[in-house]
Amino acid sequence: DTGVSQDPRHKITKRGQNVTFRCDPISEHNRLYWYRQTLGQGPEFLTYFQNEAQLEKSRLLSDRFSAERPKGSFSTLEIQRTEQGDSAMYLCASSTTGTSYEQYFGPGTRLTVT
Amino acid sequence: AQSVTQLGSHVSVSEGALVLLRCNYSSSVPPYLFWYVQYPNQGLQLLLKYTTGATLVKGINGFEAEFKKSETSFHLTKPSAHMSDAAEYFCAVSTYGNKLVFGAGTILRVKS
Repeated sequence: DTGVSQDPRHKITKRGQNVTFRCDPISEHNRLYWYRQTLGQGPEFLTYFQNEAQLEKSRLLSDRFSAERPKGSFSTLEIQRTEQGDSAMYLCASSTTGTSYEQYFGPGTRLTVT
Repeated sequence: AQSVTQLGSHVSVSEGALVLLRCNYSSSVPPYLFWYVQYPNQGLQLLLKYTTGATLVKGINGFEAEFKKSETSFHLTKPSAHMSDAAEYFCAVSTYGNKLVFGAGTILRVKS
């Protein structure tokens, strides 16, 4: 069990550029979640998948954001036309469906939009 | 809708003293409750959880929390603080194991 991994760990981009982040969940976990955390705040839910199906999206997820989990394994989160307000830590978590639903988090991708 | 309120954005204790971090939640259905810890520039680590059953739950590193339905609370405690406990702590609630709703966090400072 190698835990949840995220790539890259840090991303600096210029306003207006597109960025894509990757998350690899714990191998036997069928649920995958994306959260966003800004400085001094708790993480906020963005979206989650069960296998390859995207089951819920937050209203925080504007049409510039898109997430995929094409084969029910890794997931990507893309932000188009980045804005300075997108600067944040993007966290990925995974879990199984069952009695506890514990979510295990990756180290996060810190995005800075200049 | 669910929500979490963490009382005190910063808590300072002396090494060896009791740690008490407060969490109150709002949920229209039976909640699942969690405490996570976050060290600088890292992801979140699960400390403990309450789903059903025993209302006093024990977690890692000597932490425990008690679910009190009548008070809608899930406060985190540790009898004796250690320097390594200095971090940010988040309380979170979910229903039926879906998305987590987090509080704003409490930064714990441990003084030597």
